[in-house]
Amino acid sequence: NAGVTQTPKFRVLKTGQSMTLLCAQDMNHEYMYWYRQDPGMGLRLIHYSVGEGTTAKGEVPDGYNVSRLKKQNFLLGLESAAPSQTSVYFCASSYGGVGSYEQYFGPGTRLTVT
Amino acid sequence: AQKITQTQPGMFVQEKEAVTLDCTYDTSDQSYGLFWYKQPSSGEMIFLIYQGSYDEQNATEGRYSLNFQKARKSANLVISASQLGDSAMYFCAMREGLNTGGFKTIFGAGTRLFVKA
Repeated sequence: NAGVTQTPKFRVLKTGQSMTLLCAQDMNHEYMYWYRQDPGMGLRLIHYSVGEGTTAKGEVPDGYNVSRLKKQNFLLGLESAAPSQTSVYFCASSYGGVGSYEQYFGPGTRLTVT
Repeated sequence: AQKITQTQPGMFVQEKEAVTLDCTYDTSDQSYGLFWYKQPSSGEMIFLIYQGSYDEQNATEGRYSLNFQKARKSANLVISASQLGDSAMYFCAMREGLNTGGFKTIFGAGTRLFVKA
C-alpha cells in the first residue's frame, strides 16, 4: 500500500502560471481533502470531496479548483498563480460516514510562486 | 471564531521527562472527535491519538495519552518519557458531527516541541 501520494513534491511557478497538483490514494477512501499549511496557521481546508464526482469548498477556496473524476484521485488546480499561494499543500483521505476515523496525509507539495 | 486553540507556540522538555501540550476547543456539537497529529521536520503528518466526545476514558496509545476534560473543553496531549525523536510540530484537531457523518476537520496552529538531550 502506497497510502496517499502527491505529485509533484516541489514546484516553482511564476505569477500568472497555472498548474495541477495530483493526489492519489489506494485505500478506497470516500473522502478526500486539500489543505494548505502556512507558518503559524496550522492547516486550512481548501476543498474537499465526499465521493467520486463530488467536490465542495472549504475555508479558503478562492483561486483554486478541484476535480474528483475517479475515486482514488483528487486534483487541485491553480489557474493563475499568485504569490499569496506560496505554501505547502497537503492532500488527505479518510473513510466516510458516521463514526470516528483519522485522516491519512500525503507527504505534501511545497509550492513557491514568484 | 477560532475553534481550536494551542497556546504554546514552542515547548522544551528534557529527554525522558513527560510533557503536556495544551489544546482547547470550542463547539456546540455533542458528538465530536479530537485528534492529535505529529509533523516532524521531514514534513509528513502522522496521526497519534483520538478521543471521542462520548468516550468516558482518556485515550492512550503507547507513550501518548490524551487528557480529556469535557467541561473545560480541553484535550491536552501528554507524552511520557520524551525521546529525541519526539521533537516535532504537534497539531490538535477537531471534527464535529461524528454521528451525522461530519467530515470537516479543523486544525490548531500547532506547538513545536523541542526535546533536549
